[in-house]
Amino acid sequence: DIQMTQSPSTLSASVGDRVTITCRASQSINNWLAWYQQKPGKAPKFLIYKASSLEDGVPSRFSGSGSGTEFTLTISSLQPDDFATYYCQQYNSYPITFGQGTRLEIK
Amino acid sequence: EVQLVQSGGGLIQPGGSLRLSCAASGLPVSGNFMTWVRQAPGKGLEWVSDIHTDGTTYYADSVKGRFTISRDNSKNTLYLQVNSLRVEDTAVYYCATSFALVPLHAFDFWGQGTMVTVSS
Repeated sequence: DIQMTQSPSTLSASVGDRVTITCRASQSINNWLAWYQQKPGKAPKFLIYKASSLEDGVPSRFSGSGSGTEFTLTISSLQPDDFATYYCQQYNSYPITFGQGTRLEIK
Repeated sequence: EVQLVQSGGGLIQPGGSLRLSCAASGLPVSGNFMTWVRQAPGKGLEWVSDIHTDGTTYYADSVKGRFTISRDNSKNTLYLQVNSLRVEDTAVYYCATSFALVPLHAFDFWGQGTMVTVSS
């Protein structure tokens, strides 16, 4: 199974900050990586696919990058609505696996 | 507009069974790769099962032999039959899918989730 490891587990930041979340795969996933945002009590919201492609309707302050085994999600200027938990997901092979999540909290 | 509306779930004793449903609109369950994902309280997301357009099914090791994914094309509904439930199966269960017509994909669309609580 491909293990997905996110860092940090918790990130404290302020509105307007630029933040980066890292996701590492235990083996190459050929850029088949997605990012999701989840708020308490809600289903995940799809943000990015194939490592760097922004889903329609997602604000351009979100961006993804990386290749092979190391990937990042960057939010260029945090907005109040962005405080949530973020997950990466690999869909290169079964079983599909998710990172453990990064909680982005207000400093 | 794609909508996935879930039902089923509830409080069940260990060893019990439930059937979770996911009624789709805006896309045909028969023509899309459909997925169940779960999330234990306070924990992360865990992939549970997939059903492919040709009916091929895949399961996480943790549920293999106990859970069964299926669909009813006439009702445009996805199901997850969960048997021999364990306390560790307690979670919110989500159905999910994508317009990407490939077996392995990210999930554009999610149901609202349904809670399964396994407790005596």
